[in-house]
Amino acid sequence: AQSVAQPEDQVNVAEGNPLTVKCTYSVSGNPYLFWYVQYPNRGLQFLLKYITGDNLVKGSYGFEAEFNKSQTSFHLKKPSALVSDSALYFCAVRDPFMDSSYKLIFGSGTRLLVRP
Amino acid sequence: DARVTQTPRHKVTEMGQEVTMRCQPILGHNTVFWYRQTMMQGLELLAYFRNRAPLDDSGMPKDRFSAEMPDATLATLKIQPSEPRDSAVYFCASGSTADRGLHEQYFGPGTRLTVT
Repeated sequence: AQSVAQPEDQVNVAEGNPLTVKCTYSVSGNPYLFWYVQYPNRGLQFLLKYITGDNLVKGSYGFEAEFNKSQTSFHLKKPSALVSDSALYFCAVRDPFMDSSYKLIFGSGTRLLVRP
Repeated sequence: DARVTQTPRHKVTEMGQEVTMRCQPILGHNTVFWYRQTMMQGLELLAYFRNRAPLDDSGMPKDRFSAEMPDATLATLKIQPSEPRDSAVYFCASGSTADRGLHEQYFGPGTRLTVT
């Protein structure tokens, strides 16, 4: 069965410092991996994805994520956090070889709080 | 700037009343997802349509929830009768399988439902 885990409910970081939001996954085949962000009172917005190719993927707003197959991880990173990055972040996974339905399995979300 | 739209944005109703939520997917998108978000359960997939046909509604309580796509520009989610435990934010998302296999879902702003 497909699953995704976000082990931290909340991540606190000072503005200007690097940030990491963790995500690990479990699929039987090669995963498609995604990060979405949710600002207060808004729907989820797509940030970035890993489908194939380079393990380091770059997305919107200066975010990037690294796919690590041996550790089954897809951590979200940003070199220098902004207060405006404070939001709820969701990791999601799909196993295209086991599930042709296009459904995404979402993690429980991690709240990022960037303090000035 | 194409967006998924949802109406109403907020709905307060009494227990036992019927609730209808509407979603207009992005023009040209052929897949529609309904999600429910609560503090306790996080983001749950309720139903999924492709080319207007329901493919998966296993996440939806069948006795009171129903989802339809009367045409390609409208998806509806109905609750009858509503219960306080249905209070949540309901999101609609759309995507296109022509988009290299639907790698991204585009979320609407959500309908915040409160059942008293």
